[in-house]
Amino acid sequence: GAVVSQHPSRVICKSGTSVKIECRSLDFQATTMFWYRQFPKQSLMLMATSNEGSKATYEQGVEKDKFLINHASLTLSTLTVTSAHPEDSSFYICSARDFLSNQETQYFGPGTRLLVL
Amino acid sequence: QQQVKQSPQSLIVQKGGISIINCAYENTAFDYFPWYQQFPGKGPALLIAIRPDVSEKKEGRFTISFNKSAKQFSLHIMDSQPGDSATYFCAATLYTGRRALTFGSGTRLQVQP
Repeated sequence: GAVVSQHPSRVICKSGTSVKIECRSLDFQATTMFWYRQFPKQSLMLMATSNEGSKATYEQGVEKDKFLINHASLTLSTLTVTSAHPEDSSFYICSARDFLSNQETQYFGPGTRLLVL
Repeated sequence: QQQVKQSPQSLIVQKGGISIINCAYENTAFDYFPWYQQFPGKGPALLIAIRPDVSEKKEGRFTISFNKSAKQFSLHIMDSQPGDSATYFCAATLYTGRRALTFGSGTRLQVQP
């Protein structure tokens, strides 16, 4: 199957700092990538849809000024958590669809564990 | 509003037994139903998926049963193994351009040796 990578795999930062998480599709092009957030022992909650070359679409209740998304190429989307606070500590996971194959399948990255002190 | 309901929340099965996880959906516009397997600290991995035009799909030890009229679908894991111990999520997606997934709440499966 297709491969999606995330970097970093885990990050610890101080409260008030910004953290950037990268999501890359390694062997396919993805016009659409999705960002999810997962708290311990809970399900994945969609935060936003990242669209290549256009603005991201945010789910209700997700602050777009706090979670900045950039999808500058067909293989890279970034999520920046601005002015992070302890309540932003979570597992952030991205997924991507293969644009050319037009399949429904979403391939997930390995996730990024964020801990804000 | 929870659009995909999943049960049970946790499940303990003996090695060699059958694990059954159920999901029910509300939106009849959903047209793609994948199951994902997630190990601790890892991203979800696609296990098997089904479209509503078929009632069953089997891949190895994993089978999806789909009941369109009841708006329910289930995952059956035959000959369950300790290595199957993980959290399983059902999901559904609308046939729209965005194709965002709506996940169930997850089932923690433990297969005892």
